[in-house]
Amino acid sequence: DQQVKQNSPSLSVQEGRISILNCDYTNSMFDYFLWYKKYPAEGPTFLISISSIKDKNEDGRFTVFLNKSAKHLSLHIVPSQPGDSAVYFCAASYGNNRLAFGKGNQVVVIP
Amino acid sequence: GAGVSQSPSNKVTEKGKDVELRCDPISGHTALYWYRQSLGQGLEFLIYFQGNSAPDKSGLPSDRFSAERTGGSVSTLTIQRTQQEDSAVYLCASSSGRSVYGYTFGSGTRLTVV
Repeated sequence: DQQVKQNSPSLSVQEGRISILNCDYTNSMFDYFLWYKKYPAEGPTFLISISSIKDKNEDGRFTVFLNKSAKHLSLHIVPSQPGDSAVYFCAASYGNNRLAFGKGNQVVVIP
Repeated sequence: GAGVSQSPSNKVTEKGKDVELRCDPISGHTALYWYRQSLGQGLEFLIYFQGNSAPDKSGLPSDRFSAERTGGSVSTLTIQRTQQEDSAVYLCASSSGRSVYGYTFGSGTRLTVV
């Protein structure tokens, strides 16, 4: 059962424009949401997170938005840079230490 | 060490053979996790170790899979009688406490069963 879903497996965006990645979840008990970034042949690295008590968290070029009623979160990257080309995973947790991951979105930033 | 170290980075094995995958977590990290990523899939939880507590094995897909963590540090994931569907990237992560923050992943072991 896929509790965290990422549709649109790949996204191409021009350098300098905005990249928007979407994530939907089914478990209303999730209380922390995270985005990880993964380059080829490397492990995922933590990017940004948000608690369920917030609806927005911003860190430099990265902003995560959470809509609890819709069980939806999104990651905005602006402006997109070529180094942002990677696979982005959405993940969620509910109080234990296990993370449920989506399948990932491949982002390609075109110079 | 500076990061989570996994070995080997790549492993090709024949169907039916046993394999051992190793994870060396960040020194001092009490929590250790194994995940795997099959082709086209997200990261699938396998097993979680926290300190001296009994491990959470609820993600192990079959009794051919086992893992141990010796001395609260290095962990070995063993797959017996490998099958082609076991082919995946096996990722280890460690963290310093009970929070999901500070989850540091290794680079993974790419296992191919032929």
